[in-house]
Amino acid sequence: LAKTTQPISMDSYEGQEVNITCSHNNIATNDYITWYQQFPSQGPRFIIQGYKTKVTNEVASLFIPADRKSSTLSLPRVSLSDTAVYYCLVRGSSNTGKLIFGQGTTLQVKP
Amino acid sequence: DGGITQSPKYLFRKEGQNVTLSCEQNLNHDAMYWYRQDPGQGLRLIYYSQIVNDFQKGDIAEGYSVSREKKESFPLTVTSAQKNPTAFYLCASSIRRAGGNEQFFGPGTRLTVL
Repeated sequence: LAKTTQPISMDSYEGQEVNITCSHNNIATNDYITWYQQFPSQGPRFIIQGYKTKVTNEVASLFIPADRKSSTLSLPRVSLSDTAVYYCLVRGSSNTGKLIFGQGTTLQVKP
Repeated sequence: DGGITQSPKYLFRKEGQNVTLSCEQNLNHDAMYWYRQDPGQGLRLIYYSQIVNDFQKGDIAEGYSVSREKKESFPLTVTSAQKNPTAFYLCASSIRRAGGNEQFFGPGTRLTVL
């Protein structure tokens, strides 16, 4: 499983767009990039997943450059309720489902 | 209403006692997982099971035991051999989909050893 590196913390203000970048230099050909969100004292929640280029859903967008060695989670117009820890994970499509969680990025949204 | 339930939400244990954490899912998922989370840290995998009557050790299995007698249930026992059991425990289940296995997490059980 490829190792990921992301900033420990980020601050933002309500209404701003937030971009969290994750590095995964050793990503394998069959690996997908997945992001989870976790609020205090709750289980993580799946946000978005992608393989290349751009993926968008009702919550976020995920940008993946051609070399796939990094990815950027984009949260449009954040609100106070987006304050959480965001985890970037890389995993293969055929593995056992084991997920490697790093420390994640703690996003603090201020009024 | 499908989902994963964990009970109890809070659990207190005296040193030297075994305790069992419950995890039930009605999502018809084959795979189930147990993670441990310490303050300010990410999740660490304790045990996982891909099918009934089969399970594998994760990264920190020492001092823990599991069983998978039914598809819906994956209880975790924290034994007295676990030297530092105070933590937040999360159970998850997954379904295989294109691009890997998306995991769905329960609400967690916070275990405190007194």
